[in-house]
Amino acid sequence: KQEVTQIPAALSVPEGENLVLNCSFTDSAIYNLQWFRQDPGKGLTSLLLIQSSQREQTSGRLNASLDKSSGRSTLYIAASQPGDSATYLCAVSPLYDNDMRFGAGTRLTVKP
Amino acid sequence: DTGVSQDPRHKITKRGQNVTFRCDPISEHNRLYWYRQTLGQGPEFLTYFQNEAQLEKSRLLSDRFSAERPKGSFSTLEIQRTEQGDSAMYLCASSLKGTDNPSTDTQYFGPGTRLTVL
Repeated sequence: KQEVTQIPAALSVPEGENLVLNCSFTDSAIYNLQWFRQDPGKGLTSLLLIQSSQREQTSGRLNASLDKSSGRSTLYIAASQPGDSATYLCAVSPLYDNDMRFGAGTRLTVKP
Repeated sequence: DTGVSQDPRHKITKRGQNVTFRCDPISEHNRLYWYRQTLGQGPEFLTYFQNEAQLEKSRLLSDRFSAERPKGSFSTLEIQRTEQGDSAMYLCASSLKGTDNPSTDTQYFGPGTRLTVL
């Protein structure tokens, strides 16, 4: 069974710092991996989607990498801002079923 | 706003009561998904529809849960005889079919319905 783990569970940084969030998964048979953002009490917003054949994706200050063979992905946030404060979730889509599996998330706080 | 909408946003009920939630997907999206999210955890897949057909159900979806999408547009999720363990955020998402594999789609999530069972 695919297990998705995110470390750390919570992170607090001062504004302007660059930071890295980590995601690991146990089964490398994935179709793609996505990073989502979730604000308190709200739904999820897709940030980046990496296909299994890709190594990274970039959008603005966000860069996500994927190492499928080692079961790892990172989300790099450059020059963090207080508006980046949210919970960041990673999710993998397995090759053999339609059940997207999520990690528990990293709760990020960026202090002004 | 043409995003995914869910109603109600919050529901408080007593144990043993039945509840029903509604999800309105983005209008041209033919796939619709339900997830459950408990505090401090990521969402867990419950079920998904392609048009009006329910194509997959998680083992989490016990006999007390039923979902419908009668006309291939909005969907309802009903929980019968609610239990305290059903307290969670219920999220709906929709996507436009790109290929036969829904894993290729980008899912757009609604704001969720927060259920509290007393």
